[in-house]
Amino acid sequence: KQEVTQIPAALSVPEGENLVLNCSFTDSAIYNLQWFRQDPGKGLTSLLLIQSSQREQTSGRLNASLDKSSGRSTLYIAASQPGDSATYLCAVLSGYSTLTFGKGTMLLVSP
Amino acid sequence: EAGVTQFPSHSVIEKGQTVTLRCDPISGHDNLYWYRRVMGKEIKFLLHFVKESKQDESGMPNNRFLAERTGGTYSTLKVQPAELEDSGVYFCASSQQLASTDTQYFGPGTRLTVL
Repeated sequence: KQEVTQIPAALSVPEGENLVLNCSFTDSAIYNLQWFRQDPGKGLTSLLLIQSSQREQTSGRLNASLDKSSGRSTLYIAASQPGDSATYLCAVLSGYSTLTFGKGTMLLVSP
Repeated sequence: EAGVTQFPSHSVIEKGQTVTLRCDPISGHDNLYWYRRVMGKEIKFLLHFVKESKQDESGMPNNRFLAERTGGTYSTLKVQPAELEDSGVYFCASSQQLASTDTQYFGPGTRLTVL
């Protein structure tokens, strides 16, 4: 049974800092891994999707890496801004259609 | 292009009552997924439709939950009778291709409270 763990559960940083969010999963047989962002009362917004054959994906100030063999992914956020404050969720697709989510990391970026 | 929409945004019902949640996927998306997040837990998969057919319903908790997608457009998720442990946020997502190759786009969720 696939399990996804995210560390830390919460993170508070001052504006401008670079930061790393961690995600680990127990079963390396995955199709892809996604990072999502959730704002309070809103749905999930997909940030980056990494296929199992890929090592990383970049979008703007975000960079996600995937080490499938060790069951790890990191989300790197450069030059953090208050608008980055949200809950970040990691999810892996290991079944035909089943996304398995972590509990998320709640990020607060203070001005 | 409109995103995934869900109705209602909030629902408060008594234990034993029936509630029906609705999801309208992005137009043209054949794949529709239901997930839910109960308090303090991670988001969990419930089921997956391809057009009007249930492709995978392995995550449905019990037979009090019934999902339908008539005509392959919008979907409904009915809980009958509702129990206290059904409280949580129910998310719907859709994708054009299978999830293995395409991003799932999520709706804002329906917050269900069973009293």
